[in-house]
Amino acid sequence: EAGVTQFPSHSVIEKGQTVTLRCDPISGHDNLYWYRRVMGKEIKFLLHFVKESKQDESGMPNNRFLAERTGGTYSTLKVQPAELEDSGVYFCASSPLGLAASDEQFFGPGTRLTVL
Amino acid sequence: AQSVSQHNHHVILSEAASLELGCNYSYGGTVNLFWYVQYPGQHLQLLLKYFSGDPLVKGIKGFEAEFIKSKFSFNLRKPSVQWSDTAEYFCAVGKRGNTPLVFGKGTRLSVIA
Repeated sequence: EAGVTQFPSHSVIEKGQTVTLRCDPISGHDNLYWYRRVMGKEIKFLLHFVKESKQDESGMPNNRFLAERTGGTYSTLKVQPAELEDSGVYFCASSPLGLAASDEQFFGPGTRLTVL
Repeated sequence: AQSVSQHNHHVILSEAASLELGCNYSYGGTVNLFWYVQYPGQHLQLLLKYFSGDPLVKGIKGFEAEFIKSKFSFNLRKPSVQWSDTAEYFCAVGKRGNTPLVFGKGTRLSVIA
């Protein structure tokens, strides 16, 4: 079974540019989460999709960040325009819906974003 | 709001030494507790998890963790580390029911020969 995949693995852009990160969850996983780790800090939650709906976007830093999950499969996270403080590693995780007793999330390898 | 505190930022051990990484969380309700590990160049992987039952849980690669409810702690242990345990370890907590995880800052473990 394929795991969670993320593209690209690295992205280096200049301040003011736009970047789109993609996450493909494990097939059949309705829950999809985005997290971010800024260097030296903890991994922090950004938002949670259940299928194509945003369940919780309380962690999104500001309106420069836009996440979508059309069709309830893969998700994209767009940063427009990027700022220096957006640099970090963006993780995606997925889990099946309804297995409340487990709640294990499966993580992708992350996308390292560097904004110059 | 939930928070997770990992006491050690960087731990250096010799092979065969015993390991204990501290993790405390703040949350008053019922939670799931996790330890994830990220080996160099690899994904975050689940080491072990606790959601109910025996508070001493065993995970992969000889790791175990003990949930002490009264202390809000979930410390990770391994009796004898190997060079291949060099990695970053993350403690995480989540409320029941497919909710986001709250992570600690991570502890980097370096095992030297």
